[in-house]
This record gives sequence, C-alpha cells and structure tokens, in this order.
Amino acid sequence: AQSVAQPEDQVNVAEGNPLTVKCTYSVSGNPYLFWYVQYPNRGLQFLLKYITGDNLVKGSYGFEAEFNKSQTSFHLKKPSALVSDSALYFCAVRQGLPSNTGKLIFGQGTTLQVKP
Amino acid sequence: SAVISQKPSRDICQRGTSLTIQCQVDSQVTMMFWYRQQPGQSLTLIATANQGSEATYESGFVIDKFPISRPNLTFSTLTVSNMSPEDSSIYLCSVEISVYGYTFGSGTRLTVV
Repeated sequence: AQSVAQPEDQVNVAEGNPLTVKCTYSVSGNPYLFWYVQYPNRGLQFLLKYITGDNLVKGSYGFEAEFNKSQTSFHLKKPSALVSDSALYFCAVRQGLPSNTGKLIFGQGTTLQVKP
Repeated sequence: SAVISQKPSRDICQRGTSLTIQCQVDSQVTMMFWYRQQPGQSLTLIATANQGSEATYESGFVIDKFPISRPNLTFSTLTVSNMSPEDSSIYLCSVEISVYGYTFGSGTRLTVV
C-alpha cells in the first residue's frame, strides 16, 4: 500500500525567509511524487513532480523539491517566501511502473502561513 | 492536457436524498478517480472508475453509498446516496494524463442539511 505523511499541520515563516514543507512517503517500487497547492475556495494547482532523473526538481512560482530515496522524503522548498504563498500544500505519491493502478494518494496537508 | 468539466459546482441537499455529480473530460482517458475532501482535511480517494467495468472502491467506501457510472471514456458520475450531514464535503474527479500528470475537476461543494 502507498502512503504519504506530512508531519507538520502548519508551518509559519516570515516573508523573505526560506521555507520547507516536509513530506515522507511509503510505496512499493519506484515512487512518482507530486506537490499541489490549494488556495481557499479554489481547486488544486500543480506545483511540481518527480518521476525520474535529477533529484532536485524545480516547479512553479519558484518552488523546488528534493527527492531523497534513502530517507524516503520529498520536501518542498522555496528560498524566499512571499505572503502570497500562504495556502494549503499537499504532497502526493503514485506507485511507479510496472504498477498501472494510477492511484494518487495524498498526504494530510500542511498549511503554510507567511507573515509580513 | 485534459480539461474536466464538473457539475454541479455546489449544492445544498436535504438529508436522506441523493446527489449525482458529473465529470466530463475533453479527451478519452482510461481511468477516472473520485476523491472526497472533508472540511479542513486532505483528499481521500473514494474509487477508481474504468470504462466497461465496475469501479474499484477504497477501504471505507462502498458501492451502495457511492455508486459510480463510467459509460464511456470521457464521462463519469458519482452519486452520494442517502445523504447525512457527515457527507458534507468537496467531491473531486481526476484523470491521469500523459507523463504521469493529473488533472482535477473544480470540485463539487456539497452541504447536507
């Protein structure tokens, strides 16, 4: 079975400071990992994904994430936080090939609060 | 990338009634997924819907409560049956598109009174 853990319900950072939102996963075989953001009363927005290749993945809005296989982690980072980054962030995992289920399983979400 | 039209966007329903949510995709897709997002919580997978076969339900979800139809490769419906206030949630459909990306519908915000 696949699962995702986001150990922090909320992360608070000051504007301009670096931010990290943590994610660990459990899946058989190679994982495909994703980060999504959800603003209040709006749908999910895709930020970035790791399928294969370079462990450091760059995505939308200046976000990046580092895949660490030994620690089964995929933490989301940004060098300088903006107040507008305040939102709910979800990490998700899909079981990689040869699995063909296509199921995307989400973590419980982390609320990011960036203060001016 | 695929575009999903999900209807209705929101509804307020009486307990004991049923609501059917529709998702229309602008391209043919093999699998469609239905999720529930309870207030302040994460997305929980309800079931996977393949065309031409019965949906596969996740633990804790049953067909009698959440019947799903998948009549063709571009359309699916989820019915929330015999609703109670605990069913108040956002329901989303999703499809997997190429290169392991996913598209999500805009969601149906359901309130049961």
